[in-house]
Amino acid sequence: SQKIEQNSEALNIQEGKTATLTCNYTNYSPAYLQWYRQDPGRGPVFLLLIRENEKEKRKERLKVTFDTTLKQSLFHITASQPADSATYLCALATTSGTYKYIFGTGTRLKVLA
Amino acid sequence: DAGVIQSPRHEVTEMGQEVTLRCKPISGHNSLFWYRQTMMRGLELLIYFNNNVPIDDSGMPEDRFSAKMPNASFSTLKIQPSEPRDSAVYFCASIPRGHSTDTQYFGPGTRLTVL
Repeated sequence: SQKIEQNSEALNIQEGKTATLTCNYTNYSPAYLQWYRQDPGRGPVFLLLIRENEKEKRKERLKVTFDTTLKQSLFHITASQPADSATYLCALATTSGTYKYIFGTGTRLKVLA
Repeated sequence: DAGVIQSPRHEVTEMGQEVTLRCKPISGHNSLFWYRQTMMRGLELLIYFNNNVPIDDSGMPEDRFSAKMPNASFSTLKIQPSEPRDSAVYFCASIPRGHSTDTQYFGPGTRLTVL
């Protein structure tokens, strides 16, 4: 069956370090992958999109990689700050014909001052 | 722009009652999505509309759930009768064009508690 896995355990890191979050999927062939940030009591907010033919995408302190062979995306936050503490969700679009994204359960990140 | 608007923000009801959640998408967006979020199952797509027409309702859990989009600026998600297992946060989201590269803009959510 189709599955998207994100580390369900919280990730605690020290301020200034690089946070790396993982999104693994099985039985999908995603054309696009998105990462969202969600703060408590709020809806998810879009961060980055990466296409299947792109290996890497950057935006300020954020970097996303997409390995379709390993069926994995990595999300990096460099020089992390306490304000980066939130839950991060990955979402896969399985085809480009219709807009349907399947979300992972998210990983909670806590950056310690 | 005000963003996606949802109401109510919180709803507490008793089992068996009808619940109606409301959503106003961002003006000009042509697709709208309803999601349900729980700790156990994460964010699940219930239904999505394109140009007010339901495209995929395969995520709607059962006949107790129904969704409508009578016009481009309003959608409802109704649960009748409600059950305790329906307790969750329900999100509405909209996108501009309906293409897979679109960003989804989420509303603040409605926290539903069914006693």
